[in-house]
Amino acid sequence: GGIITQTPKFLIGQEGQKLTLKCQQNFNHDTMYWYRQDSGKGLRLIYYSITENDLQKGDLSEGYDASREKKSSFSLTVTSAQKNEMAVFLCASSRDRNSGNTLYFGEGSRLIVV
Amino acid sequence: QQQVRQSPQSLTVWEGETAILNCSYEDSTFNYFPWYQQFPGEGPALLISIRSVSDKKEDGRFTIFFNKREKKLSLHITDSQPGDSATYFCAASWTSSGQKLVFGQGTILKVYL
Repeated sequence: GGIITQTPKFLIGQEGQKLTLKCQQNFNHDTMYWYRQDSGKGLRLIYYSITENDLQKGDLSEGYDASREKKSSFSLTVTSAQKNEMAVFLCASSRDRNSGNTLYFGEGSRLIVV
Repeated sequence: QQQVRQSPQSLTVWEGETAILNCSYEDSTFNYFPWYQQFPGEGPALLISIRSVSDKKEDGRFTIFFNKREKKLSLHITDSQPGDSATYFCAASWTSSGQKLVFGQGTILKVYL
């Protein structure tokens, strides 16, 4: 088995601040994802990466940057935090990018903007 | 534009009853439909999935019924237990999209004793 570790669990920042969320996986999976979860809106894909140093935009990439410097880690940066961005950010990984592979999720990081 | 829609938004059943969660989609090229279960404070976890070549998939108390013509599917949870109380997400993808899953907005299920 493996695990997805997201840090921090809670991230509090000020409006306009640049904030970074980190994710580590020990599955040795190729593909990693960042999803945003808002109440009543499901999960929306922000960025994903099919291998080290690869980045692919999802449907919600505006206002975010991502970085995949190692196979095991994937970070997400909110470039200028806004109060309407308070949500739970979920990191996930899958064996590869083929359809039908299970996504394994972390427990989430909650962003609070004051 | 919501490509995957779920209903109801929330559902309450008594222990032992069958809970029925509905999902519909717009894109006829979708061919893989997983359901993810999420407990409070945790990330979603794969519960059961179906491919469009099948019309039914069963795993214990959980069954997916799939209607390709109507672009609808449903998750039936028989003999519901309080431990089944969670949010359930229907998702969809197509072969060429790889793992770009499109998620529905979720159904919150509560099972009372």
